[in-house]
Amino acid sequence: DTTVKQNPRYKLARVGKPVNLICSQTMNHDTMYWYQKKPNQAPKLLLFYYDKILNREADTFEKFQSSRPNNSFCSLYIGSAGLEYSAMYLCASSHRGTGYAEQFFGPGTRLTVL
Amino acid sequence: GEQVEQLPSILRVQEGSSASINCSYEDSASNYFPWYKQEPGENPKLIIDIRSNMERKQIQELIVLLDKKAKRFSLHITDTQPGDSAMYFCAATLNQGGSAKLIFGEGTKLTVSS
Repeated sequence: DTTVKQNPRYKLARVGKPVNLICSQTMNHDTMYWYQKKPNQAPKLLLFYYDKILNREADTFEKFQSSRPNNSFCSLYIGSAGLEYSAMYLCASSHRGTGYAEQFFGPGTRLTVL
Repeated sequence: GEQVEQLPSILRVQEGSSASINCSYEDSASNYFPWYKQEPGENPKLIIDIRSNMERKQIQELIVLLDKKAKRFSLHITDTQPGDSAMYFCAATLNQGGSAKLIFGEGTKLTVSS
């Protein structure tokens, strides 16, 4: 099973409220990624977990949190949503091993902040 | 930051003709260049990739070319079919401190008309 699952598929949030998105994979991949995708823009890497080590991008460092309670699950947490957070959030996983490997993407969660 | 430029953003071709998408990257240490196809409502799926030790790779009607000197790579779809209509994203690895990240191009919306 090469499926990456994301929940929920659609999320409506109010400005100032928290948002928690969930991603799971059963491929035993060591690395899980979160991307933000806005219309007509490239997917933008927000952060990734390699095993239990979290790497956050410098320009989104304070905006997004994440946790990985076990190898299969990874969450993306927004403490206080703003209108600019409205986007598609894509989770991906890969097995880095000794070299770079294919990233498998989930279907995405479309977040709308009102 | 590091960028991958992808052109054109919109591409319309007639069924049976060829379609070409071009990408350029900045990091001379990039060593992996995947191409993803995303259909409406679906997650991006890897369709072909090329590593830096190759100049050309073909899978059925998909051809990728890599020019490391010019830091350019391209996707060519020969004998296009309506089912090839989708968004296409190129990407290049960015290696930082032992971690490899994918930097995506902005995407090309390909429409194949019959």
